[in-house]
Amino acid sequence: SQQGEEDPQALSIQEGENATMNCSYKTSINNLQWYRQNSGRGLVHLILIRSNEREKHSGRLRVTLDTSKKSSSLLITASRAADTASYFCATNQAGTALIFGKGTTLSVSS
Amino acid sequence: EAQVTQNPRYLITVTGKKLTVTCSQNMNHEYMSWYRQDPGLGLRQIYYSMNVEVTDKGDVPEGYKVSRKEKRNFPLILESPSPNQTSLYFCASNPAGTFTGELFFGEGSRLTVL
Repeated sequence: SQQGEEDPQALSIQEGENATMNCSYKTSINNLQWYRQNSGRGLVHLILIRSNEREKHSGRLRVTLDTSKKSSSLLITASRAADTASYFCATNQAGTALIFGKGTTLSVSS
Repeated sequence: EAQVTQNPRYLITVTGKKLTVTCSQNMNHEYMSWYRQDPGLGLRQIYYSMNVEVTDKGDVPEGYKVSRKEKRNFPLILESPSPNQTSLYFCASNPAGTFTGELFFGEGSRLTVL
């Protein structure tokens, strides 16, 4: 039961640049979460944004949510090589478990 | 240190040989869940447990069993593994006995079934 769909599938940038990845979903949500996964490792929670919120910040991360367009974006500012990872959005609908997208693979080169 | 611990981290086995992947969390979390991750398919939920003694199927439960006898442990059992269960498995937990809230993931268990 696919819900979130990330775009692009892959992104390559230089250190210092900003990275933006997007997530679109199909049905109403309670909240949307972003996770990071370093190669072959467990997922790490980055940020949760509720359906009544439009923007949240955490350090170099900025997440926006547009419920009218059913989309979210994750912006990583001033990227570092250590940001190289896969990034997943996950949507939470009422009464159902988190559903993960297939992820965006970010590569940051120095 | 607060963590979700899975064992084994890597396992190669043969078709039909029963195996158990253990999952333990030390955060007193109510909710626990198992996911499998496959290339091109993303993470898919296998089973989840809202609290002790309560478990339910996720999206891909066929071929798997779970049990939740204690709050901290949520083992995943493959009674008769098949090659299509070759995958990277993750256990996750969250403090609320609901679907909301952030998930804390284990480091993963890479299983190969020959």
